[in-house]
Amino acid sequence: ELKVEQNPLFLSMQEGKNYTIYCNYSTTSDRLYWYRQDPGKSLESLFVLLSNGAVKQEGRLMASLDTKARLSTLHITAAVHDLSATYFCAVDDYGGSQGNLIFGKGTKLSVKP
Amino acid sequence: DVKVTQSSRYLVKRTGEKVFLECVQDMDHENMFWYRQDPGLGLRLIYFSYDVKMKEKGDIPEGYSVSREKKERFSLILESASTNQTSMYLCASSLRPRGLPWEQYFGPGTRLTVT
Repeated sequence: ELKVEQNPLFLSMQEGKNYTIYCNYSTTSDRLYWYRQDPGKSLESLFVLLSNGAVKQEGRLMASLDTKARLSTLHITAAVHDLSATYFCAVDDYGGSQGNLIFGKGTKLSVKP
Repeated sequence: DVKVTQSSRYLVKRTGEKVFLECVQDMDHENMFWYRQDPGLGLRLIYFSYDVKMKEKGDIPEGYSVSREKKERFSLILESASTNQTSMYLCASSLRPRGLPWEQYFGPGTRLTVT
């Protein structure tokens, strides 16, 4: 069974600090997606990583993919309050029906002054 | 830009009522999905559809049915709403061909309360 595990599930950090969210998965997928969800809102696509070694950056967020280790990281640099949200990673479910994604449980990030 | 719309942002229904949640996407995506999201449980897939009139059960289909009569529209039906179906419902769509990313695009969500 394909599993996607994120850690930590909860993260409280101070403004200005750096931190990394980890996403491990149990299949040989080479495509990984990061989403952001603000409280009470829907999921918004952040990054699409399509090959081993892929790295994408947007502002203070940088995502990378290591398909050999089956690991993606979402690195936060000099956090600000506006980054407070829940972050989900997801991978293609190649073993299941075409087009399905398997989501992690999400990491709830809270950035405090 | 891909746009996925849902018929209602907030909905309040009584126990036993039949409830229809509508989702429309405008990017000609093959796949459409219905999820529910509850605190601490993450996203759970209810049903998905990969073509018109086709459907497949997800992880928690009990108490729900779906309809896809047109490619752009995917409906979730609660045949007889119960209080344990109070939740946030999210619709999504994506491409299907294996050579293309399966990135899912989400609608704004419907917060359903069953009293």
